[in-house]
Amino acid sequence: QQPVQSPQAVILREGEDAVINCSSSKALYSVHWYRQKHGEAPVFLMILLKGGEQKGHEKISASFNEKKQQSSLYLTASQLSYSGTYFCGTEISGTYKYIFGTGTRLKVLA
Amino acid sequence: NAGVTQTPKFQVLKTGQSMTLQCAQDMNHNSMYWYRQDPGMGLRLIYYSASEGTTDKGEVPNGYNVSRLNKREFSLRLESAAPSQTSVYFCASSEFAPGQAEVGTDTQYFGPGTRLTVL
Repeated sequence: QQPVQSPQAVILREGEDAVINCSSSKALYSVHWYRQKHGEAPVFLMILLKGGEQKGHEKISASFNEKKQQSSLYLTASQLSYSGTYFCGTEISGTYKYIFGTGTRLKVLA
Repeated sequence: NAGVTQTPKFQVLKTGQSMTLQCAQDMNHNSMYWYRQDPGMGLRLIYYSASEGTTDKGEVPNGYNVSRLNKREFSLRLESAAPSQTSVYFCASSEFAPGQAEVGTDTQYFGPGTRLTVL
């Protein structure tokens, strides 16, 4: 039931774009995205709900394809501060519990 | 606002010892959660409390017990610690419980974590 994230790791230059994918085998009620820097707690980025549209947060946005049970996180014009590990958290419909993916390590180079 | 606070920040136990991890939030959130994060891994839900007076098992509840003491506080107890419980433990809180989130709402705010080593 754990969602699968891809890619596992990505290296970017400042200003480049990246897409991180999160895929579940189960019907989802919601998908949440978090960023975690080394040694720190995860920080919430955004939530997408079943029936919801693409959302945006500064230069970071996300989409949720309910039919495919997939969500994608889009980082545009990346900045050094975007470096960290990105996790998707999923709530399978009817379970009332959150299950997190294994994360995508993103490093932005100057 | 302090947000979500956890104590202690670090702890070393011997196998078989017991301890309680404390968590408190000052955001008047209804729901609270305990997660563990092993090196290079994602977060795994241990227990959660959708509202004061209720608790439910998460993905990995074996070896743990919880108490929702009041709306602010949610503690996690290890009755007989094992090396497999070596991990970083995060407490989190949210206004809405799973299944109740609405468009535009934030979900979980995390505490700074407790690094637990069981020898």
